[in-house]
Parts: sequence; structure tokens; C-alpha cells
Amino acid sequence: EAQVTQNPRYLITVTGKKLTVTCSQNMNHEYMSWYRQDPGLGLRQIYYSMNVEVTDKGDVPEGYKVSRKEKRNFPLILESPSPNQTSLYFCASSRKAGGMNTEAFFGQGTRLTVV
Amino acid sequence: GENVEQHPSTLSVQEGDSAVIKCTYSDSASNYFPWYKQELGKRPQLIIDIRSNVGEKKDQRIAVTLNKTAKHFSLHITETQPEDSAVYFCAASRGGADGLTFGKGTHLIIQP
Repeated sequence: EAQVTQNPRYLITVTGKKLTVTCSQNMNHEYMSWYRQDPGLGLRQIYYSMNVEVTDKGDVPEGYKVSRKEKRNFPLILESPSPNQTSLYFCASSRKAGGMNTEAFFGQGTRLTVV
Repeated sequence: GENVEQHPSTLSVQEGDSAVIKCTYSDSASNYFPWYKQELGKRPQLIIDIRSNVGEKKDQRIAVTLNKTAKHFSLHITETQPEDSAVYFCAASRGGADGLTFGKGTHLIIQP
């Protein structure tokens, strides 16, 4: 089954304690990205990756890191989480057809609370 | 960068009536306009999309229209049903390295 898998689904952590949210896709998609969803703000892109070893900042990258060592995996790293990073996070992947966007498939979401 | 405005933020309609959600975008180079539905506690899922070389697209009760000159696009749902209740997001993208820029969402409520 084609899917994007995120882990964990729920995470409560303390300020400053490094954490990683994993994301894996089995569709051989080149493009992967991370979004955060906050009430009234919709989905905002944090980071994206066009392919292995190619990553770039989205609209709200401060406080986050990513890596793309393998095509299927795109972990999101919070080196020193702060309470303003409490949010619902979604990983997404899509195929780029001739440089054009196609359907983005989303993971199940990770609800992060930083206290 | 791209900016997408979505209206209304909440829309309540009677079951069986039609619902229309509107979005405007700022970047005339945007060429891909998807609509996502997010049910409570679930992930966003694509319901319909349209590219800039097409003015209208329909899939059963759902249709999307695009006006490139005015830079706006709309989602139309006819004969609404209770399962249509959800949050709907529009998005726009130029392609290339650009991802999707989303609107803030519309909470659609179907009244029985």
C-alpha cells in the first residue's frame, strides 16, 4: 500500500530536549516536505527536499533541521525545542512530473507538545 | 513568495444545498491548484486539483474553477451530504522547487 509513515503520532517533551520525528515513504517520490499546522494558520511549509542530499528552507524553518540521506526518509529534527513549536506536524511526499507538482501524500501527523 | 487567501473561514449549509469556497493567489506563475479535505483528527487528502491550462474540472459532486486573469479559484460541492463536513484547504504552487502554499482553511458544516 502506498503510504507516508510518520512516527511518533504523539509526543510530549520538555524545552531544550532534542527530538526527531521520522518520516518514510514507499512511493519512490523525489519531493518530500514538512508542514506544521496551527489553528487559524493552515499548513505552513518548514523544509523541503527535492531529492537525496538536496534540502532547503520553507516558510517557517527557524528551530528545525532536516536531512535526506535516503530517498525514502526525511526526518525532522528539533535540536532545542521550545513551547512555540507545539503544533501538529505533517510530512508529505509527491512526484515531480516534468518539474510540475502532482498530488502530495500526507503522513498521519505528529502532535508535538513542548512544555 | 506566494500568498493564498481563502474565504470563508467557516461555512454552514443545509444538507442537499451547494457549498462554494473561494481562494485567491498572488503569484501569476503558479500553475497547480489542489484542494485538500481534512476530517477531524485525520491527515489532509486530495479531493481535486486543476492546472493552469484548464478552466474547470469536475468529479461527481465536486468541481473546481480557475480564473487565471483574476487569480482566483473556487471549489464547488453540490448536493452536500453529512460526510462532506470537514476542513477544506486550497493551495497553489509554481512547481519546480516550490511546494504548496496553503490557504488557512474553511470549516464546512453540513446541517441536517
